[in-house]
Amino acid sequence: GQNIDQPTEMTATEGAIVQINCTYQTSGFNGLFWYQQHAGEAPTFLSYNVLDGLEEKGRFSSFLSRSKGYSYLLLKELQMKDSASYLCAVGSGSARQLTFGSGTQLTVLP
Amino acid sequence: DTGVSQDPRHKITKRGQNVTFRCDPISEHNRLYWYRQTLGQGPEFLTYFQNEAQLEKSRLLSDRFSAERPKGSFSTLEIQRTEQGDSAMYLCASSWLMDGGAGMNTEAFFGQGTRLTVV
Repeated sequence: GQNIDQPTEMTATEGAIVQINCTYQTSGFNGLFWYQQHAGEAPTFLSYNVLDGLEEKGRFSSFLSRSKGYSYLLLKELQMKDSASYLCAVGSGSARQLTFGSGTQLTVLP
Repeated sequence: DTGVSQDPRHKITKRGQNVTFRCDPISEHNRLYWYRQTLGQGPEFLTYFQNEAQLEKSRLLSDRFSAERPKGSFSTLEIQRTEQGDSAMYLCASSWLMDGGAGMNTEAFFGQGTRLTVV
C-alpha cells in the first residue's frame, strides 16, 4: 500500500526558515515531489528528488533519504505569499502517477 | 503555451445527472492524468493516458466514471448518475516522458481544476 505522512498545519514568521517533513511507505518509487497549492488553485511544482541528498532552488530546498523513507522541504526567508498548502508526493508505477500526502497548511505571520 | 486548461471551472449539478469535463494538456506532453481532490486532502489518482491509450485506472474510478483521450490531445472525464459523494475538485495534469516507460519522472503540470458540486 501507499502511505505518506506530513504535518497538517505549521505556522512561522515572515523572514524565518521552516522545515516541512514528509515520511512515506510506498510500493515502488520513481521520485519524491513537492507541490505548493494556494486555496482554490492548482498545485504548482516546487521540487523533485530521485537520489539521496539536497536539491536547492532559490529559497526552496528539498532533501531525500530513500533508506529512511524521509524527505523535507526547507523554505527560507519566508514571505507572506508562502502561506499555502505544501503537498508531498511520491511517483510510482508504470504510469508514474503521484500519490500525495494530505498536505501541510503553512501560515506565515507578519 | 498557456499550460493545462480545464473546462468548466465550476459545475453544479443535481444528483443523478451526467456531467462531462474537458482537459487540454500542454501540447507537447504525451502523458495525461486525472486526479480528484476533496477539501483538506491531497489529490488522488484516478486514471492515466499515454497518448490516446488509457493505461491505468484507479480502483476509485467506478463504473460511473469514464475517460477518453480520442486523438492523444484533449481528454474528457464523464461521470454518469452523479452522487453527492462525487462532489470534489477534478484536476487534470500532463507531463512528458521521452522513452515511453523506463525514463525518470518529469514533473506533472496541473490545470486549475473543475469544482463539481452535486446537490
